[in-house]
Amino acid sequence: DTGVSQNPRHKITKRGQNVTFRCDPISEHNRLYWYRQTLGQGPEFLTYFQNEAQLEKSRLLSDRFSAERPKGSFSTLEIQRTEQGDSAMYLCASSLAGWVGAEAFFGQGTRLTVV
Amino acid sequence: AQTVTQSQPEMSVQEAETVTLSCTYDTSESDYYLFWYKQPPSRQMILVIRQEAYKQQNATENRFSVNFQKAAKSFSLKISDSQLGDAAMYFCVVYSSASKIIFGSGTRLSIRP
Repeated sequence: DTGVSQNPRHKITKRGQNVTFRCDPISEHNRLYWYRQTLGQGPEFLTYFQNEAQLEKSRLLSDRFSAERPKGSFSTLEIQRTEQGDSAMYLCASSLAGWVGAEAFFGQGTRLTVV
Repeated sequence: AQTVTQSQPEMSVQEAETVTLSCTYDTSESDYYLFWYKQPPSRQMILVIRQEAYKQQNATENRFSVNFQKAAKSFSLKISDSQLGDAAMYFCVVYSSASKIIFGSGTRLSIRP
């Protein structure tokens, strides 16, 4: 296991199209997080899962965003009807809940550009 | 709710000198951890140092150390003998098992040769 993997690394899409990103966490990690990061800013929380349960979703997230984690393994983040304001880096992280001190490991991110 | 505040958007330090990055936080949790993460330009977020809130002793990791003041909810990062490779965005993070990971807005550190 080489760490958290995110695909694709880059995505360019036209406004109004739907996009889906995938995150494969470290295999034994039961927590998975999605963040959005714009240039020069800190990561903004989107949602997180413990196993397959979605524990929290940011109120900043519109209904166009949805995330799933079937079977508590990989996760997908879908953005419907993309807008230019959705252009950002989307980061995924995983950790082992139950050991509070466990750090979160981050993927390299998916950079979305909406044109 | 948890909040993290980094009041220094940018810092600059001469190579080989020492720099301190500030962070204050707020949490209602009694059991939590604090982290500093580093994000080099166009690169992955990596952990620099962690501090358990129940420990009074400040964490140290080679050239990196923290000054944890629990009552003041302050968690600063000191980088000694700064190196060119330390140039990055640094994020202060609060984490508890009952909640999500919360990031500060970051401090961009540049190193002057």
